[in-house]
Amino acid sequence: GAVVSQHPSWVICKSGTSVKIECRSLDFQATTMFWYRQFPKQSLMLMATSNEGSKATYEQGVEKDKFLINHASLTLSTLTVTSAHPEDSSFYICSAPQGNGDGYTFGSGTRLTVV
Amino acid sequence: RKEVEQDPGPFNVPEGATVAFNCTYSNSASQSFFWYRQDCRKEPKLLMSVYSSGNEDGRFTAQLNRASQYISLLIRDSKLSDSATYLCVVNVKNSGAGSYQLTFGKGTKLSVIP
Repeated sequence: GAVVSQHPSWVICKSGTSVKIECRSLDFQATTMFWYRQFPKQSLMLMATSNEGSKATYEQGVEKDKFLINHASLTLSTLTVTSAHPEDSSFYICSAPQGNGDGYTFGSGTRLTVV
Repeated sequence: RKEVEQDPGPFNVPEGATVAFNCTYSNSASQSFFWYRQDCRKEPKLLMSVYSSGNEDGRFTAQLNRASQYISLLIRDSKLSDSATYLCVVNVKNSGAGSYQLTFGKGTKLSVIP
C-alpha cells in the first residue's frame, strides 16, 4: 500500500536552531501534503497544506516565516522549523491523500524537543 | 463549537467488555467520516471508514447519522490490544481552497484492563 516515509523520528535541538523534517511518498505521487502538529493530550491540528510546485497554504495562526514548507517534487515535502523555541516542542506529522478521494497515508511522525 | 467533538474519556474497561465511542461534528457539508486509532507517540492509523448504512469489521461497528451529525464506534469483546486513543475524523471542505481536509477530534483514550 501507499507509504509516506517521515524523517527524523525524533530530534532534540537547541533554542534558536532550525530543524528540517522530510516526508517522502515512496510508491505514489503526493501532489498535496498536509502538515499537522499535536501537543500532548490534544488533537492533531492542521498547520499547513503544501502543494507541489506552488506556495503552501497556512492555517490561521501559523507563522509561515517560522514554519517553512517546500514541496519541490511529487514525492518530497519538507517542513523546516526555524529559530526553534521550547514552545515548538511537539509531535509533527505529515499526511498525503492517496488520490482515491478518501484514503490518507500518514508519516510516522517526528517528535521535536527544543531545549 | 468545536468542529469535531468526542467523549473526553478516558475509558477503562475489563477485557471482554463492549465499549462505545460517540462523536459529533459541526459542519453539515462534511463529506466522509472515519475512525482512526492512535497508539502512544505513534501516527494515527485508519481503523475504519464510516457510512450512513453502518458498517462492521469483526468486533468493530461504526454508525453515521447525518441528520444529527453524529458518529459512533462500538467495540465488542474488547482485547488488551485495543488499548489506544480513538480519533473521530471528518473530511471537511476547506471553503478557502475548495479542497477537502481531515479534521480530527481530540480523541478518547481506551484502556482495556486484564
